[in-house]
Amino acid sequence: AQSVTQLDSQVPVFEEAPVELRCNYSSSVSVYLFWYVQYPNQGLQLLLKYLSGSTLVKGINGFEAEFNKSQTSFHLRKPSVHISDTAEYFCAVMYSGGGADGLTFGKGTHLIIQP
Amino acid sequence: NAGVTQTPKFRILKIGQSMTLQCTQDMNHNYMYWYRQDPGMGLKLIYYSVGAGITDKGEVPNGYNVSRSTTEDFPLRLELAAPSQTSVYFCASSFTSYEQYFGPGTRLTVT
Repeated sequence: AQSVTQLDSQVPVFEEAPVELRCNYSSSVSVYLFWYVQYPNQGLQLLLKYLSGSTLVKGINGFEAEFNKSQTSFHLRKPSVHISDTAEYFCAVMYSGGGADGLTFGKGTHLIIQP
Repeated sequence: NAGVTQTPKFRILKIGQSMTLQCTQDMNHNYMYWYRQDPGMGLKLIYYSVGAGITDKGEVPNGYNVSRSTTEDFPLRLELAAPSQTSVYFCASSFTSYEQYFGPGTRLTVT
């Protein structure tokens, strides 16, 4: 079984400042890693994913994440945030060995952008 | 191309009532999923399906049932609603098993 820990439930950041949202996972098997964003009263939208290859993954809206296998981390970063980035961000993992048993999510990090 | 649609958007149920949450996708995806999201928590998998006629339990299946008679539809049935089922329910679908597209959600309150 796998689990996901998002260490910060809320992250306040000033507009145009950089941000990092932390995600650690534990799993006894190889996994795929994802970041989703949820804007207020909406469904989840995929920001980026790591399946294999380069450990630095670029996603939509200027976000990127780095997979670190030794530290079992997949932190999300953006060099300069905007008010429109205010949302809930979820890290998720999935077993990479095939099958369709769904995603395991962290509890989410609320990114609050201050003007 | 509407993607994943869910109805209703909101519903209030009394304890013991039953209802069906509808989910439809028009992307011809084989995989479909139901999740629930409770405040301050991530999403938890209720049931999933890998194709028409095939369903399986996720992490929190108790109190729910599903069916998958067509590729497009994956309804979630609540029998004997309980306050613990107050949540936001999301349906998702995917072509492969790892890139899931989510619907807008159904907000359910059981009182």
